[in-house]
Amino acid sequence: SQQGEEDPQALSIQEGENATMNCSYKTSINNLQWYRQNSGRGLVHLILIRSNEREKHSGRLRVTLDTSKKSSSLLITASRAADTASYFCATASSYNTDKLIFGTGTRLQVFP
Amino acid sequence: SQTIHQWPATLVQPVGSPLSLECTVEGTSNPNLYWYRQAAGRGLQLLFYSVGIGQISSEVPQNLSASRPQDRQFILSSKKLLLSDSGFYLCAWTRAGGYGIYEQYFGPGTRLTVT
Repeated sequence: SQQGEEDPQALSIQEGENATMNCSYKTSINNLQWYRQNSGRGLVHLILIRSNEREKHSGRLRVTLDTSKKSSSLLITASRAADTASYFCATASSYNTDKLIFGTGTRLQVFP
Repeated sequence: SQTIHQWPATLVQPVGSPLSLECTVEGTSNPNLYWYRQAAGRGLQLLFYSVGIGQISSEVPQNLSASRPQDRQFILSSKKLLLSDSGFYLCAWTRAGGYGIYEQYFGPGTRLTVT
């Protein structure tokens, strides 16, 4: 299956620290996306990175993509308590871009 | 601007009862529509997606079905619920067309408990 796997499954840090989450996938992709989910809520899109891109930034978020290793990382700098949430990567296959396959997620807890 | 609605927000149903969850999108036309299920503390499982009226792709064989009677309406149904159908159901949409896929926009979800 193409499903992404996030690592670590859970991460606890203090406010101000950086948080890094990793995602690995199995097949050729068109793009990879990161989403955030607050407890009991729907998902919110954070960043989309295409297969021909290596790095993207959005505010305090930095995403890298290494297609040779089939992996991506999400870095949140200077974390805040409000960043506490689950973070998911999702991939769109090169062969079927009508759907996304989501990973299992990383639960991030940021302590004030 | 575009908005996506799901209802009901929560639902408690007995085993063997029918199910109908509705999702509607406003402010866009011809969207791709998706139904996901999320078990407690887990990732998202894609159940169905639709690229147009009456066009449904099923990802996981199960006792659920989906229909798209109108361009911006997506319905998830079951004739007889199982305990294993409990979970958090999320509807999402994305822009259609073009090469590659765009970001998905999610509804608030429906928490289904089958007792």
